Amino acid sequence: TQLLEQSPQFLSIQEGENLTVYCNSSSVFSSLQWYRQEPGEGPVLLVTVVTGGEVKKLKRLTFQFGDARKDSSLHITAAQPGDTGLYLCAGGSGGYQKVTFGTGTKLQVIP
Amino acid sequence: DSGVTQTPKHLITATGQRVTLRCSPRSGDLSVYWYQQSLDQGLQFLIQYYNGEERAKGNILERFSAQQFPDLHSELNLSSLELGDSALYFCASSVGQGWGTEAFFGQGTRLTVV
Repeated sequence: TQLLEQSPQFLSIQEGENLTVYCNSSSVFSSLQWYRQEPGEGPVLLVTVVTGGEVKKLKRLTFQFGDARKDSSLHITAAQPGDTGLYLCAGGSGGYQKVTFGTGTKLQVIP
Repeated sequence: DSGVTQTPKHLITATGQRVTLRCSPRSGDLSVYWYQQSLDQGLQFLIQYYNGEERAKGNILERFSAQQFPDLHSELNLSSLELGDSALYFCASSVGQGWGTEAFFGQGTRLTVV
């Protein structure tokens, strides 16, 4: 069974602070996705990373895929209250039968 | 609004009962996915259909079944319900069928088994 561990599990920070969320596994993935889920809503895809070592930026969010394609990180610069939510990583290879979602990081940004 | 519609939004039922959850994918999407999200297990992939055919199976119990109809809507049937089946059930859809294709999630159906 492929496992994806996310850390930290919970994060409460002040507006304007920076933070990093980690997603780690012992398995290799062909690609990894990051989602944000707000209360009462389904997850929304933020990014897909495919190449080992790849870095993608989405405004204040920076995503990195590990060189060995086993881990990933999400860095948020100058967090805003609108960033509040549950962040999930998901890894897979080939078909969906081996898709694994991370344990989740619940982020609260206090104004 | 993702364009994926799930009904009902909330469902309360007793143990041992059977329920059907419904999903209408985004216009043009051929793949439909079902997920279960619970506090202890997190988000788990259950099953995928593509253009009416089963494509991938995840951690779906034998008491659960799904199908995708010719008009591409999908239903997830949960039977012999147990307290532990209480969870949020999400449907998602995408144009393609492979892992990595962007999928859009519905708002979910919250199932409570009492």
